[in-house]
Amino acid sequence: EVQLVESGGGLVKPGGSLRLSCAASGFIFSSYSMNWVRQAPGTGLEWVSSISSSSSHIFYADSVKGRFTISRDNARDSLYLQMNSLRAEDTAVYYCARARIGTTGDLDYWGQGTLVTVSS
Amino acid sequence: EIVLTQSPATLSLSPGERATLSCRASQSVNSYLAWYQQKPGQAPRLLIYDASNRATGIPARFSGSGSGTDFTLTISSLEPEDFAVYYCQQSSSWPPLTFGGGTKVEIK
Repeated sequence: EVQLVESGGGLVKPGGSLRLSCAASGFIFSSYSMNWVRQAPGTGLEWVSSISSSSSHIFYADSVKGRFTISRDNARDSLYLQMNSLRAEDTAVYYCARARIGTTGDLDYWGQGTLVTVSS
Repeated sequence: EIVLTQSPATLSLSPGERATLSCRASQSVNSYLAWYQQKPGQAPRLLIYDASNRATGIPARFSGSGSGTDFTLTISSLEPEDFAVYYCQQSSSWPPLTFGGGTKVEIK
């Protein structure tokens, strides 16, 4: 069974940092592109970042470029999101999501999400 | 950036009725269009990819159609568990991957 479990969310002050993790199981993690998608309270979905299976291709939304860093450790079946210089508008539930095999954009499995709250 | 516009924002229907949801792209996305379902407090679930292909385990009452800029998600006969928010998403031209604003299907 495919499972994605996020952790690392919490309350942080504006300007602070947080590192999210996503532990994957039930599939060959190193074969899939992975993504972070966020959802601010009461709003829709916003794509944040993508990383290819070998980390050779990495992309960010303009809203987080230069502040967030996506990475993965295929030996540990884990995905990460380092978030620096956090702003109030980064408050959201952050989901890690797997891209369907051979694609980068069809997100076929999602974690349950971890809440990040940026507030003083 | 490709903008996806979903309509209507809210659809009020009864169980057993047919639901027709629309997604319009600001430029052609060919068939690189997916649909997701999200229930309160849950993560989104992939329903349809490549405009018309059902994802694993998705019931046949869900179908997708369209290409280019106009797409439709149809639920042939609403079941109680189908009342949720539905999002479309394109992967034709990215970054960024973009999502529509969502359509809420509520019980009439």
